[in-house]
Amino acid sequence: AQSVTQLGSHVSVSEGALVLLRCNYSSSVPPYLFWYVQYPNQGLQLLLKYTSAATLVKGINGFEAEFKKSETSFHLTKPSAHMSDAAEYFCAVSLKAAGNKLTFGGGTRVLVKP
Amino acid sequence: EPEVTQTPSHQVTQMGQEVILRCVPISNHLYFYWYRQILGQKVEFLVSFYNNEISEKSEIFDDQFSVERPDGSNFTLKIRSTKLEDSAMYFCASSPDRFDTQYFGPGTRLTVL
Repeated sequence: AQSVTQLGSHVSVSEGALVLLRCNYSSSVPPYLFWYVQYPNQGLQLLLKYTSAATLVKGINGFEAEFKKSETSFHLTKPSAHMSDAAEYFCAVSLKAAGNKLTFGGGTRVLVKP
Repeated sequence: EPEVTQTPSHQVTQMGQEVILRCVPISNHLYFYWYRQILGQKVEFLVSFYNNEISEKSEIFDDQFSVERPDGSNFTLKIRSTKLEDSAMYFCASSPDRFDTQYFGPGTRLTVL
């Protein structure tokens, strides 16, 4: 069975500072990995996904994530935070061998300070 | 841009009542899903649906739950006799193919009193 752990339920960053959201997964087979973002009163929107191609994945809004198999990690970064990045971010994993259900981490709420 | 829609946005019901949550997936998508998030907990998979039948379901999805695609556009989740612990945000999602990106709706907040 797969699982996902997001370190830190809340992260506060200053506008213009680096955003780093941590995600570790456990899986017995190569996973597909995702980051979703949820803005207030909206659904989950895909930021980026890793599906066994390039290990550095670029997504929307300047975000990127790097798949590190040796560390079982898929951390999300953005070099310079913007006020509009304030949202909740979810890491998720799915296994091709286990259908397409997504297993989510607990989410990290990002606060951006001016 | 096409999007998944869900109605109602908020549903309040009495314990023991039946509720139906409605979703309109993206029109050319073939796979449909329901997830839920109890306040303060993780988003959890409930069920996936393809070709008019359930393709996978979780342990949460017991006999009190059912899903249906009654026409060419709607996808519904029915809870026959709601319990207090069914209070949660319910998300519908759809994907064009089995291992493709899942697109989520805004959710329905269900409150059981």
